[in-house]
Amino acid sequence: AQSVTQPDIHITVSEGASLELRCNYSYGATPYLFWYVQSPGQGLQLLLKYFSGDTLVQGIKGFEAEFKRSQSSFNLRKPSVHWSDAAEYFCAVGPSGGYNKLIFGAGTRLAVHP
Amino acid sequence: GAVVSQHPSRVICKSGTSVKIECRSLDFQATTMFWYRQFPKQSLMLMATSNEGSKATYEQGVEKDKFLINHASLTLSTLTVTSAHPEDSSFYICSAFSQQGGDEQYFGPGTRLTVT
Repeated sequence: AQSVTQPDIHITVSEGASLELRCNYSYGATPYLFWYVQSPGQGLQLLLKYFSGDTLVQGIKGFEAEFKRSQSSFNLRKPSVHWSDAAEYFCAVGPSGGYNKLIFGAGTRLAVHP
Repeated sequence: GAVVSQHPSRVICKSGTSVKIECRSLDFQATTMFWYRQFPKQSLMLMATSNEGSKATYEQGVEKDKFLINHASLTLSTLTVTSAHPEDSSFYICSAFSQQGGDEQYFGPGTRLTVT
């Protein structure tokens, strides 16, 4: 079955600390992988995506993610978190070769302490 | 960048009435639009996929007669919740797909529906 698992429901970090949000997927074919961020009451903003090529992907707002096929993982990282990064983060997977529907993980809520 | 709007952003309706939510791609043509539903503190669940000029494809468990989707043009899709009930209260988010935009979905800001 196709699925996305985000093991951490809530994460709290101090401002300036590093961050890693975990994402594991189960997908039958080569996946397209995405990370989105959602602020309260808002839609989703794409942080980064991986289709192919370099497995370390750079995104907006200083985020990066690494695709590890052997571990079926696509973890999101940021070296230094800002208070404005507090939000909900969703990992998603879709079919390769252009895509139709996305399957989303349950999300990780990030809180940032000053 | 590609912008998707939704209208209204919030709506309150009485049980038994119908409500229409619009999703527009403002600066690009969207051959495919998606409708998602999000419960509080939960993930997005795909409800249906709509392609311009054809019938929407609904996900398993989604009542097509209750959630009417119309994709009349390349820039507009509508979701009508018919005979709404309190359990239909949710956050509805649409997205639009454009190959011109780099093969990704662009999400609208969402519509908060409250059924009293």
